[in-house]
Amino acid sequence: DTAVSQTPKYLVTQMGNDKSIKCEQNLGHDTMYWYKQDSKKFLKIMFSYNNKELIINETVPNRFSPKSPDKAHLNLHINSLELGDSAVYFCASSPGIAGGGEQFFGPGTRLTVL
Amino acid sequence: GENVEQHPSTLSVQEGDSAVIKCTYSDSASNYFPWYKQELGKRPQLIIDIRSNVGEKKDQRIAVTLNKTAKHFSLHITETQPEDSAVYFCAASGGSYIPTFGRGTSLIVHP
Repeated sequence: DTAVSQTPKYLVTQMGNDKSIKCEQNLGHDTMYWYKQDSKKFLKIMFSYNNKELIINETVPNRFSPKSPDKAHLNLHINSLELGDSAVYFCASSPGIAGGGEQFFGPGTRLTVL
Repeated sequence: GENVEQHPSTLSVQEGDSAVIKCTYSDSASNYFPWYKQELGKRPQLIIDIRSNVGEKKDQRIAVTLNKTAKHFSLHITETQPEDSAVYFCAASGGSYIPTFGRGTSLIVHP
């Protein structure tokens, strides 16, 4: 009965590779997000989708491409991985399009680029 | 856009003491102010939140206060325990639909 799940939990890869992270929520929420948390613990929002439509795209390299096949899933594909992409990536969901609701976070994916 | 400042970045207290973490925000249209706790290696989880029509909210040992005029809000933890040790994030949202997080406060409670 996990609310927000992500796979994989850990991802170790070489520079230049392409990788994907998957996220699913079973809360019936309309809005899903991707966050990047760096080594200093700063939580930076990357993307937000509402009902499969992109509503927020913060300043993120275009090597990062989100895809939402339906409102319960938001995947993140990263091309040409760089050392600076190493971080923990959190998926989250919230009930409505407005940011004024609790964010339910997934367990995180720790990405290490060698 | 919204800008959220959080202080201090690190807070060290003795068990049983109180801890206070403060945040300021810039967008007067923000109307929702949650606090999240992130334990080491875990996901952030909501511990308490407040909306702009309320000045204070309490839940057992934790409380949040909001001063809309001054655009600041604070988290108060009383009778701290070692299990309160974690990183705490404030956030503000509602104006631009983008939740903006503070940079986090690492709270260390010494037994």
